[in-house]
Formats: sequence, structure tokens, C-alpha cells
Amino acid sequence: SYELTQPPSVSVSPGQTARITCSGDALSKQYAYWYQQKPGQAPVLVIYKDSERPSGIPERFSGSSSGTTVTLTISGVQAEDEADYYCQSADSSGLYIVFGGGTKVTVL
Amino acid sequence: EVQLVESGGGLIQPGGSLRLACAGSGFNVTSSYMSWVRQAPGKGLEWVSIIYSGGSTLYADSVKGRFTISRDKSTNTVFLQMNNLRAEDTAVYYCARAPYYESSAYYHWGQGTLVTVSS
Repeated sequence: SYELTQPPSVSVSPGQTARITCSGDALSKQYAYWYQQKPGQAPVLVIYKDSERPSGIPERFSGSSSGTTVTLTISGVQAEDEADYYCQSADSSGLYIVFGGGTKVTVL
Repeated sequence: EVQLVESGGGLIQPGGSLRLACAGSGFNVTSSYMSWVRQAPGKGLEWVSIIYSGGSTLYADSVKGRFTISRDKSTNTVFLQMNNLRAEDTAVYYCARAPYYESSAYYHWGQGTLVTVSS
């Protein structure tokens, strides 16, 4: 079955930049979506279609794509950005939704 | 304002059945892409099933043949019928909504309902 690969954890100091990667063979053909999840809460969409930002999401969140890897960048990280982040995409058929394993972002 | 409210979770023995419900407000389930996504304790998100705006459905291999997704236009509710439950189905189950114009972007999520499969 199709998989998306994320690093388990990323640590960053306040004000610095956090980059979270997500790799998968079909990412060159399928869009990626990113979600933020804080403990005990439902996920929140922070990036859609690789690089679009929903209304209400701070500008410090951005997304990019290159080949079979997509990247979520958090510029000027704040303490409130400490959370788990998940990428989402679809397999090569475009039908089956897949989530990455998640990346825990720790703000030092 | 779009809201999703799940219900129906609880403790169930292996082999048993449960029916989850997701009541929507502020939008129409029949013009949205509605998915169920689950999260086992301490684990990541796992997509379970989707019902498209046109009514067709799709399932993850892990639940195919055991789970059935459906919807009721009159109550604006989406359901997940879960049969032959296994211990590995234990999770918080979220329903999530993507609008028809951004069919893979799940902007809205419910608060989740916990399903525990244990004897």
C-alpha cells in the first residue's frame, strides 16, 4: 500500500525556521495537504494544494513541492506552533487518501 | 458556521457492531466530500472511508467489507456502520468535511468519538 514518509520529530528554537518534509512516489502527481494537531484536539488544515494557505492561518506557514517531496515551512516559529503535523495526499489513482506518519514539532 | 458533531462511540466487545453518526450544520453533506478518519491512542491519523457528493463510497483496505459509510439528506448526517470490530479498530473516530470545490482539503473536523474494542 502507498505510504507517505515524514520525520518523526523536528526541534526548533523560537523565532527560527522549522521545515517538515513528506515524501511519496505519487507526490509529483497528487497535491499535498498539511494539518496541525495539538493534544486532545482535532486536526486543523494549514496548507492545501501544496502551497495554498486557508484563511485565518498565519503567513508564517508555507508549503512547497519538488518532485516527490513536499515541505511545510514554519518561519519565525512561536511556542504555540508546538504540535504534531501530518501531510495528506492520495495514491497514484487519486482515489485513496493517505496520511503521513506525523512529525512532532518541539519548540525549545 | 460549519459544525460537525460525532456520536455513537463507546466500549464494545470484539466481533460486535457500532454505528457512528456525524451531524452536520451550516452546510449540506450531499454537496460535500465526507470522510471518516481515525486515530489510535498515541498514533497518527488513518483515513477510513469517504462518501462523495454523488453518493459513491470508498474504503481503506483495513476496514473494507466490515464498515459501511452512508448519509441521510433529511438529517444532514453521515454514518459509519462498523461490524465485526477488532481490537485494532480502537481509536478516536473523526468525521471531516471537504467542500466540493476543494475535494481533498478537509477544512472542517468534528471533535471525535472514542471507540474502544475490548473484552
